[in-house]
Amino acid sequence: AQRVTQPEKLLSVFKGAPVELKCNYSYSGSPELFWYVQYSRQRLQLLLRHISRESIKGFTADLNKGETSFHLKKPFAQEEDSAMYYCALSGFNSGGSNYKLTFGKGTLLTVNP
Amino acid sequence: DGGITQSPKYLFRKEGQNVTLSCEQNLNHDAMYWYRQDPGQGLRLIYYSQIVNDFQKGDIAEGYSVSREKKESFPLTVTSAQKNPTAFYLCASSIWGYTSQETQYFGPGTRLLVL
Repeated sequence: AQRVTQPEKLLSVFKGAPVELKCNYSYSGSPELFWYVQYSRQRLQLLLRHISRESIKGFTADLNKGETSFHLKKPFAQEEDSAMYYCALSGFNSGGSNYKLTFGKGTLLTVNP
Repeated sequence: DGGITQSPKYLFRKEGQNVTLSCEQNLNHDAMYWYRQDPGQGLRLIYYSQIVNDFQKGDIAEGYSVSREKKESFPLTVTSAQKNPTAFYLCASSIWGYTSQETQYFGPGTRLLVL
């Protein structure tokens, strides 16, 4: 079974402060991890994936297999970063022939001016 | 935007009624998905389809049914057997559904409310 845990439902920071959204996972195989973001009145969209090792909108995320974590970080938060963030794991769907995306419950980030 | 459309934006269901949510994509994607989003619950997979005329149950398929008669369309029916249908429903697609690295592209969602 695969599971994604986001321990914080809500996270509030001030503009310019560092931000870290936590994500831990459980999966027996080699995981593919993603962060999806949902801004107010916009559709859910991919923010970044670990395999790309990219920085998007100043956000980075490092896969730590030893700690089974994929925390999302940004050194200086901006007000436009306020959104709902979902961590997701793509793992092989046992009994099927595809990969299943399992989402965490999400963290609502609020960046205050 | 574009790519994946869902209709209607809001849908009201009466007791004992079946309702159908529409999802259409013009991305030429093989795989399509239906999720249910509840506050504090994240997204949970209802059904998915990797190819026309084939679909598989997700984690919470009870009370729901789907069809995939065309590549671009994947309607979801919420039946009267679904006792707690009030939720936000999201449709998504990805290019194949067979690899772990695929991005899923989401529609704008349909909010279903029970009268």
